[in-house]
Order: sequence, then structure tokens, then C-alpha cells
Amino acid sequence: DADVTQTPRNRITKTGKRIMLECSQTKGHDRMYWYRQDPGLGLRLIYYSFDVKDINKGEISDGYSVSRQAQAKFSLSLESAIPNQTALYFCATSGGTGGNYGYTFGSGTRLTVV
Amino acid sequence: AQSVTQLDSHVSVSEGTPVLLRCNYSSSYSPSLFWYVQHPNKGLQLLLKYTSAATLVKGINGFEAEFKKSETSFHLTKPSAHMSDAAEYFCVVTAGSGAGSYQLTFGKGTKLSVIP
Repeated sequence: DADVTQTPRNRITKTGKRIMLECSQTKGHDRMYWYRQDPGLGLRLIYYSFDVKDINKGEISDGYSVSRQAQAKFSLSLESAIPNQTALYFCATSGGTGGNYGYTFGSGTRLTVV
Repeated sequence: AQSVTQLDSHVSVSEGTPVLLRCNYSSSYSPSLFWYVQHPNKGLQLLLKYTSAATLVKGINGFEAEFKKSETSFHLTKPSAHMSDAAEYFCVVTAGSGAGSYQLTFGKGTKLSVIP
């Protein structure tokens, strides 16, 4: 099984619909992140969480919300999807110490809003 | 604050010739730096990372990068390009290292094309 699992892998939804993207991890890390990728823009941080009770906005949080249901689960919601939220979304975790500090990414969720 | 600038949005090389992908960074703290690769329709794969140890970092698939503090650069190189290297490459910075690190800041990416 993958260390970071994102569901769904692909989703097409209509403008105005609410949608949730889910992420679960088996790394045992405290820190989790949501990024979106757009062509030519790299990955930009939406939200991050350092533990279950610590959630922070990233660079582009408008139009998104998150929920950290447990150490291993971090979901991203679009309350009312709009076409410019069409993107590839990545969940990531981080942890470890010193030279072993590392980040692990999920395989991504491709979201299309029509 | 931290930022990353990838100096080329697209690089094209012939198979068997050297690869150079350029990256400059800015960070208020001692940075950790990474290079990730993304093949078409795939996720992100870590190529290599610098976390304040040796300044010349060797990664997977023959890639390496050198951390130059005086130039605030972390360029990625490979002596001989292979067709399978065609992908998009991201330079990434995070403030601090180890358990004190925070979120990653990505560059906008460099698409590498390899000509047969």
C-alpha cells in the first residue's frame, strides 16, 4: 500500500457543487499538507496542519477548507466548486529528524470543474 | 520568507549531452533544498535533497546538485542525458532543516526535453 493515499484519483464535478478530496497516510507523521498544481505555476500550498489541533492557511486558501480528522487523515473541501479550481491536487506528509527529514507525496487527484 | 526561481521554463538537450537545470533560492533561514521530478501524468519523485551536510549532493538516476551559499544557487546537473529523463523538474526550498522545517515552496518548474 502507498504511504500517502489520495481519493479519488480523478473527479469531474459541476460548478457550485461541494466536493471533498481525501488523504490518508501510514507514515505516522504529524505534519500534512495540501497543494495544487497548475501548468507553469508549480505547486502552491493551500493548507497545512502540524497536528490534529493545528491547522494553518497556506498561500491560496480562499475557496477551500480542510479537516484533520485524525493524525493519519487530512481532507480538503471545495464548498462551491468553480472552474478555476480545476487542477491537480497533491497531499503530502512530513516528519523525521535531521538528515532523515523527508516529505512524502500522494499520487495526486485530478479535479475538473465544468 | 522563502522563494525559489527556476531560471528556465524549458530546456532541450540531445541524448548523451550534459543537463543543467538552474535554480536560485531566497530564504531568511538556513535552507533545506530539494529537487523533485514529475514524469507526464505521474506524481512527484524526490531526486535529491540538501540539508546542511555536504554541499555536493548526489541523487538518483545520475543526477547531482551543488549548494552554493554565496550564489544562493542549487543547480541540478547530469553528465549524460537519457531519453527517460524527459520530465518536469521542480526546485524546492524549505526554511530550516530537520524537525524545524515548515512548508515547502516550489519553483514553477523546468520542462526537460531530450532529443534523440
